[in-house]
Amino acid sequence: EAGVAQSPRYKIIEKRQSVAFWCNPISGHATLYWYQQILGQGPKLLIQFQNNGVVDDSQLPKDRFSAERLKGVDSTLKIQPAKLEDSAVYLCASSSTTGNYGYTFGSGTRLTVV
Amino acid sequence: GENVEQHPSTLSVQEGDSAVIKCTYSDSASNYFPWYKQELGKGPQLIIDIRSNVGEKKDQRIAVTLNKTAKHFSLHITETQPEDSAVYFCAASGTDKLIFGTGTRLQVFP
Repeated sequence: EAGVAQSPRYKIIEKRQSVAFWCNPISGHATLYWYQQILGQGPKLLIQFQNNGVVDDSQLPKDRFSAERLKGVDSTLKIQPAKLEDSAVYLCASSSTTGNYGYTFGSGTRLTVV
Repeated sequence: GENVEQHPSTLSVQEGDSAVIKCTYSDSASNYFPWYKQELGKGPQLIIDIRSNVGEKKDQRIAVTLNKTAKHFSLHITETQPEDSAVYFCAASGTDKLIFGTGTRLQVFP
């Protein structure tokens, strides 16, 4: 089966600019996750979708980050305005189950804010 | 909430030796413990997982052990090969989100 697709692979922006990341999960996977991975750290969950509904967005900085999964398939994560500390790899993952099992991660988008 | 600590942060071994990475977790309700391997420029890849009703699980050269009483679990890689070199993450979850450790960079020298 095809894996989790993410684009772009790399993005460099200036602080206060906006940026958007796209994710297409594995076909049929109802659960989609966005993680932030700062260099040298483990991934940290930003938001979890079940179909097109939000299950958990408790760690999403809602003043600047937003995410949507309108048709329950692909998803976009947006940052506006970006800060220097947002420099990280943004990972998308999907799962066919409702529990936290069997994640498949995409290759991520490396964001550099200068 | 859950907190996962992982040690060591770096590990260097000679090809053919064994490698052990240890993690501890704080939430006694956690019942799922996966291990991920992350190579440079790639997303984490699930290599093995264990659930709380099992004490040990093995898959070829990789094994994971779980001690629920002590709230720690370990990854064991035997007969290491250069292609095992990567960053390894442990994680834990119950009914809530998956919490990752800080990672171990494993280097296997030929």
